[in-house]
Amino acid sequence: AQSVAQPEDQVNVAEGNPLTVKCTYSVSGNPYLFWYVQYPNRGLQFLLKYITGDNLVKGSYGFEAEFNKSQTSFHLKKPSALVSDSALYFCAVRDLQAYAGNMLTFGGGTRLMVKP
Amino acid sequence: EAQVTQNPRYLITVTGKKLTVTCSQNMNHEYMSWYRQDPGLGLRQIYYSMNVEVTDKGDVPEGYKVSRKEKRNFPLILESPSPNQTSLYFCASSPFGWGEAFFGQGTRLTVV
Repeated sequence: AQSVAQPEDQVNVAEGNPLTVKCTYSVSGNPYLFWYVQYPNRGLQFLLKYITGDNLVKGSYGFEAEFNKSQTSFHLKKPSALVSDSALYFCAVRDLQAYAGNMLTFGGGTRLMVKP
Repeated sequence: EAQVTQNPRYLITVTGKKLTVTCSQNMNHEYMSWYRQDPGLGLRQIYYSMNVEVTDKGDVPEGYKVSRKEKRNFPLILESPSPNQTSLYFCASSPFGWGEAFFGQGTRLTVV
């Protein structure tokens, strides 16, 4: 079975500072990894994904994520946080080798608070 | 515009009164899925469908039904809603294989 852990319920960072939102995953085969963002009263918006290739993936709004196979992690990063980045962030995984029925498994979410 | 449309956005109902939440996508995606979002639990999959007339249970299917008679539509049916089904529900669609999932705006359901 596949699973995702986001160990921090909330991350606080000052505007202009770098931010990291952590994610670790577990799959039996090769992972297909995603980050989504949810703003208040909105659906989830896709930020970025990793399938294969370069371990550093660049996405929307200046976000990037680093895939680390040995640590089974896929942390979300941004060099300089904006107040408008404050939102709820979800990491999700899909096992490419498993039966493809279960579309995505999500972590519990991390609330990012960026203070001016 | 590519989108997933859910209706209604907000719904308050009473215990036991059957309801349907509709979901429609205009991207010709094979996969569709329903999730519920509860604080601290992330999104949990209720049911999914890999194509027309093909549906299967997700992680939390109890108390829900779905159907997939057309590729674009995937309604969620609560035959006899209970207060523990009070939640925020999301419909999502995805192309078969490598594509990312697209989500609807959500339906906030309250069962009293």
